[in-house]
Amino acid sequence: GALVYQYPRRTICKSGTSMRMECQAVGFQATSVAWYRQSPQKTFELIALSTVNSAIKYEQNFTQEKFPISHPNLSFSSMTVLNAYLEDRGLYLCGAGDWGTYEQYFGPGTRLTVL
Amino acid sequence: QQQVRQSPQSLTVWEGETAILNCSYEDSTFNYFPWYQQFPGEGPALLISIRSVSDKKEDGRFTIFFNKREKKLSLHITDSQPGDSATYFCAASPSSNTNKVVFGTGTRLQVLP
Repeated sequence: GALVYQYPRRTICKSGTSMRMECQAVGFQATSVAWYRQSPQKTFELIALSTVNSAIKYEQNFTQEKFPISHPNLSFSSMTVLNAYLEDRGLYLCGAGDWGTYEQYFGPGTRLTVL
Repeated sequence: QQQVRQSPQSLTVWEGETAILNCSYEDSTFNYFPWYQQFPGEGPALLISIRSVSDKKEDGRFTIFFNKREKKLSLHITDSQPGDSATYFCAASPSSNTNKVVFGTGTRLQVLP
């Protein structure tokens, strides 16, 4: 079956520091990877969508300078939250999908706490 | 502007009853509609999905009814179980090769024994 793993599951960082999170797809080719942030209010915000062989597209209010993303192959992606502040708190979700199918599978998320 | 809306925000049913979760959308280019189930502390898990060419999709106790003309869909959970208690997210995607999924705000379902 299609599985998505995310590391770490939880992380705490000091305000102004950075942290990196990883996403691993198993059982399918992750030709596209979308990174979301789920806020304490439970809404999902799309940060960016990365598709193999295409430029990474960031949504409004999110930038590469703040959330650099790497998608080097069909099974792995990483995102860094640079210079994290309180408003960056939340559950960061990786959703991976395969071109030609509609399904997008999510990992368990990385919960970021900023002190 | 919320492109995908869900109602009610929360729902409580008794074990054995049918829970009905509603969803509506704005963008007529959306043609794929997955429903995700999320338990506290976990990521959303794909539960069932439907494409706009269909008006009904059934998988066990879970059924999606889709009305393209009205841009509405609903998730019916028959014979609800306490283990179904979770937050359910309706989502929509415009095409298969972008995998850009837009989520609704969720319905929190509680099934009482």
